Amino acid sequence: KAGVTQTPRYLIKTRGQQVTLSCSPISGHRSVSWYQQTPGQGLQFLFEYFSETQRNKGNFPGRFSGRQFSNSRSEMNVSTLELGDSALYLCASSLRGWNEKLFFGSGTQLSVL
Amino acid sequence: KNQVEQSPQSLIILEGKNCTLQCNYTVSPFSNLRWYKQDTGRGPVSLTIMTFSENTKSNGRYTATLDADTKQSSLHITASQLSDSASYICVVTYNYGQNFVFGPGTRLSVLP
Repeated sequence: KAGVTQTPRYLIKTRGQQVTLSCSPISGHRSVSWYQQTPGQGLQFLFEYFSETQRNKGNFPGRFSGRQFSNSRSEMNVSTLELGDSALYLCASSLRGWNEKLFFGSGTQLSVL
Repeated sequence: KNQVEQSPQSLIILEGKNCTLQCNYTVSPFSNLRWYKQDTGRGPVSLTIMTFSENTKSNGRYTATLDADTKQSSLHITASQLSDSASYICVVTYNYGQNFVFGPGTRLSVLP
């Protein structure tokens, strides 16, 4: 059974640009959640999608958005990139929700120059 | 304020030794507590999930304990291996599963 796949693995952008990250969950998993991880702040929750609907949202500005497709694949978009957006972005999938066992991808390392 | 604290911040042990990592939380109402292992540059991997009624849960050489009265959890690693070198993150879910807080993690280094 394939794990959670995130693409791309590494990304370099400049300030002001926008970026789209992709996450393919484990087959059968309907919940996909996104997290930002930085050395200073640790892991922080961005949002969770279930059956194409955003079900929960963390405390991040509106520049961070996401969506989920009918096949449960999810994308995360960050517009008007800032230097502080440099981080490891992780997605996790589960059968029904974040309150159960989460399976994480390897993440996308985003560097904003 | 709902917080999760972990100690120590970092730990260095020799291969074959045991160690214990601590997690203290202040969240309420408590739903569950999870321990994750994260290798450098990889996503976290779930080790254990414990609810209010569970005091101990094991996963191979990893044993987690939970004291809901004192709001403390520990992760005990037995007979450490080089592959145990990683960050260990405690996550506490609360408010009937609607919210959760990540701990800052403990960085464990196992030396030969």
